[in-house]
Amino acid sequence: DGGITQSPKYLFRKEGQNVTLSCEQNLNHDAMYWYRQDPGQGLRLIYYSQIVNDFQKGDIAEGYSVSREKKESFPLTVTSAQKNPTAFYLCASRSPRAGPGTEAFFGQGTRLTVV
Amino acid sequence: GDSVTQMEGPVTLSEEAFLTINCTYTATGYPSLFWYVQYPGEGLQLLLKATKADDKGSNKGFEATYRKETTSFHLEKGSVQVSDSAVYFCALLNSGGYQKVTFGIGTKLQVIP
Repeated sequence: DGGITQSPKYLFRKEGQNVTLSCEQNLNHDAMYWYRQDPGQGLRLIYYSQIVNDFQKGDIAEGYSVSREKKESFPLTVTSAQKNPTAFYLCASRSPRAGPGTEAFFGQGTRLTVV
Repeated sequence: GDSVTQMEGPVTLSEEAFLTINCTYTATGYPSLFWYVQYPGEGLQLLLKATKADDKGSNKGFEATYRKETTSFHLEKGSVQVSDSAVYFCALLNSGGYQKVTFGIGTKLQVIP
């Protein structure tokens, strides 16, 4: 089945540790996105990538880093510089080549708790 | 920059009531508009979309019309069910070179029997 896989579903880390969230897709999509979801704030864009080896900062990139070495993979690292990392993280992908207005597909999310 | 405004809720309705969730947007060019739904602990699923002015998206009894003159994309359903209880997000995809999806804050809908 084609889709987007985020792992793990729940993740616990101690304050001050870096942590990497995995996002893999087998939809052959060029574009991939990372969002953070907090209660009352909707989804805020952290980073996005339209093609391999290229990515752009979103609205809240500080304290996060990404890489896009393969089309299928777009891992997100939450660094110790992120002041409030506890949140629900969502990865998405879409295919701009499929035409204008092509929707984004989402993974099931990773809930990160920093203690 | 682009932005999407929607009521936060929660919206509480009785089963079979009429639903409207308002959504307005600010964007340059010709964005595409979407409604997504999220069930507890899950990712987002596309509910419907519209890619140009006056288009109507529809799915599972939900409808929304792309109104460029009022920059709106209100979600409606004639008769809600308990199973419609979820969080609904309005979103836009910009038409520029670097395409990104911008979301509203989400509206929580609770339908009671």
